[in-house]
Amino acid sequence: GAGVSQSPSNKVTEKGKDVELRCDPISGHTALYWYRQSLGQGLEFLIYFQGNSAPDKSGLPSDRFSAERTGGSVSTLTIQRTQQEDSAVYLCASRRSGGAYEQYFGPGTRLTVT
Amino acid sequence: GQQLNQSPQSMFIQEGEDVSMNCTSSSIFNTWLWYKQEPGEGPVLLIALYKAGELTSNGRLTAQFGITRKDSFLNISASIPSDVGIYFCAGQRETSGSRLTFGEGTQLTVNP
Repeated sequence: GAGVSQSPSNKVTEKGKDVELRCDPISGHTALYWYRQSLGQGLEFLIYFQGNSAPDKSGLPSDRFSAERTGGSVSTLTIQRTQQEDSAVYLCASRRSGGAYEQYFGPGTRLTVT
Repeated sequence: GQQLNQSPQSMFIQEGEDVSMNCTSSSIFNTWLWYKQEPGEGPVLLIALYKAGELTSNGRLTAQFGITRKDSFLNISASIPSDVGIYFCAGQRETSGSRLTFGEGTQLTVNP
C-alpha cells in the first residue's frame, strides 16, 4: 500500500516568511509524528498526534512552530517567521494503533531558509 | 535534544566484510528500532526489538536488544555495495508517548 507522503519535497524561503509542510500518513495509522533532521545529525522529535487526544508538543523548539492534524489524517507543520537555523529536513512518520511501536517515515521536506 | 550514543560514526569497509555498530544509553528503553537512510529519503525500518535479550534477524542483518535494556547492536554480514547509507538506532520509552529518541547515525561506505 501507499507509504507516508510529504509535500513539498523541497522548499526554499526567505528569512521571516511563513512556511507550511504537509504530511499524509499511511491509511489507518492513528499516530503521527514530526521530526527534524539537521545536516549530518540524528532525528529530533517535534510533535506527536494520537487519535483525538491532545498532541504532545513538548519537542517544538519555539512558539514559531505549530502543527495541526485534521480529521485524524493529514497533518500540517507551520513555521512562522522562519530563521536560518530552521533549515533542515522535516520528516513525518506514522504508526498504527495497538502495541507495535514501529514508525514509518515519509521522504521528508528539505527546508532552506535564505 | 536527547540522543543515544551510537558508534562508530562512520565505517569504510570492503565488500564481503561483516559490520557491527551499537547504541548505548544511560537510561532504559522498552523498544529498540534500527533504521537505514539513503540520501534524499526518509529512514526505512530494518528491525524492531521488543524484549530484553531478543536477537532478531532480517536477511543479512541481525540486531540484539541488550539485557540491561540500555543498549543494542546491529550486525551486517557479507556486506554489499547497496548496504551504503546511514544507519540509525532509535529507542522508545513508555513514558515518552512512544516518541523515538535517535542515535546520531553510523555512515557506512562499502568499497566494491
